[in-house]
Amino acid sequence: AQKITQTQPGMFVQEKEAVTLDCTYDTSDPSYGLFWYKQPSSGEMIFLIYQGSYDQQNATEGRYSLNFQKARKSANLVISASQLGDSAMYFCAMREGTGFNKFYFGSGTKLNVKP
Amino acid sequence: DSGVTQTPKHLITATGQRVTLRCSPRSGDLSVYWYQQSLDQGLQFLIQYYNGEERAKGNILERFSAQQFPDLHSELNLSSLELGDSALYFCASSSRLGTDTQYFGPGTRLTVL
Repeated sequence: AQKITQTQPGMFVQEKEAVTLDCTYDTSDPSYGLFWYKQPSSGEMIFLIYQGSYDQQNATEGRYSLNFQKARKSANLVISASQLGDSAMYFCAMREGTGFNKFYFGSGTKLNVKP
Repeated sequence: DSGVTQTPKHLITATGQRVTLRCSPRSGDLSVYWYQQSLDQGLQFLIQYYNGEERAKGNILERFSAQQFPDLHSELNLSSLELGDSALYFCASSSRLGTDTQYFGPGTRLTVL
C-alpha cells in the first residue's frame, strides 16, 4: 500500500482564490510527522509546513495551513490568496515513527495559478 | 537558500561510468539524506546518515553507495551507470535523528548518455 497518496496530478486555481491540495497517508505508528514541500520549475525543494501526529492544532505558516484530520488520515494543504508564484509541484511527505526512519513522498500535485 | 549545498549542479556522463555527488549540510545539522527524483519514479528515499553512521536505507541500488565524513559532508557514489540512473539527486539535512524537518539542497542533475 502507498504510504502517501496525492490523488490530484494537476490543479488550476484563479489568482487570489484559495486552493486545497489533498494528501492521505497510511501508517499504524502513533508517532509520525507530515510535511509539505514546494518544487518550482527551477527544481529546488522548498519546505512549507509541518504537522506532528500529536499536535492538537492545525499547523499554519503564513498563507499555508495544513488541514489535519487524524481519523481520516488526511493532511491537506490549504493555500489562501493564491499568487502566480505559487505555480509549482507540491509534495506531501511523511516521516514514520521517531528516531532513525524513512521518509515517504507522494507523487505530487502540479498547481497552476491563473491570472 | 536552504543552506544545503550540492555539487556539481549538472553532470553528463556515459553508461558504465562512475560519478560522485557531494553534499554539505546546513551548519549544525548532523543528519544527511539522499533522494533520487526521476520522472517515472517520483521522489525516492535512498539513504540516511547521522553523524557519520548509516541509519536508514531506502531503495538504494547495490551499485550506489554513500558515506558521511567527519566534517559531516556526504558523498553519493554511483557506479556502472545505466541510462535509467538519469535523474535529479537531492541531498537534504536535518538537525537531529530524523524527527526534524529536512531542508533540501538544489540537487544534482545527472544525465547518463
